[in-house]
Amino acid sequence: SAVISQKPSRDICQRGTSLTIQCQVDSQVTMMFWYRQQPGQSLTLIATANQGSEATYESGFVIDKFPISRPNLTFSTLTVSNMSPEDSSIYLCSARTGGITEAFFGQGTRLTVV
Amino acid sequence: DQQVKQNSPSLSVQEGRISILNCDYTNSMFDYFLWYKKYPAEGPTFLISISSIKDKNEDGRFTVFLNKSAKHLSLHIVPSQPGDSAVYFCAASSVGTGANNLFFGTGTRLTVIP
Repeated sequence: SAVISQKPSRDICQRGTSLTIQCQVDSQVTMMFWYRQQPGQSLTLIATANQGSEATYESGFVIDKFPISRPNLTFSTLTVSNMSPEDSSIYLCSARTGGITEAFFGQGTRLTVV
Repeated sequence: DQQVKQNSPSLSVQEGRISILNCDYTNSMFDYFLWYKKYPAEGPTFLISISSIKDKNEDGRFTVFLNKSAKHLSLHIVPSQPGDSAVYFCAASSVGTGANNLFFGTGTRLTVIP
């Protein structure tokens, strides 16, 4: 298993600003992901964070809004840019070691945009 | 389009009885299914999984059943304990296609009454 630490755990931000969320895994993992859980909704994949290259975004999510970095096999960041109240969600970092394995999750970042 | 559905948002069960959580999916390419448990202010925690080549997987008090023809899976918890009270998410993926994405249901809140 992998232990995933996310920070900040929560934040309240002004609209129009940006927030960067950090994700640290305690061991090297093959894949890292960023999910969003809007109030009352399921977890939705934003993108796969690729080490050393651009992230792979799912439909409906774009790099300009959610830039992602992954400089090595244990760390990734997600930035929520030019925030609006609609971006208020829980953002979750996830990691998988590859193949048919379960994904592990960080504790999430609860973002409120006012 | 919600490819994984959990139609019961909540379930209450007496301690010691069986809890049955249900999940339906629409994508016939899904071949790997997982259940996660989530406590408030924590990330989802992996509970149990099942490959499409099986119809049952058991781990202690937790058993997952898969009915591929009905595109339905269920999680049985027996006996239920108060500590099992949490939100349970069903998730599915298409490992055989090489996809990394996990599709989640909207969750079922289980309350085990002492």
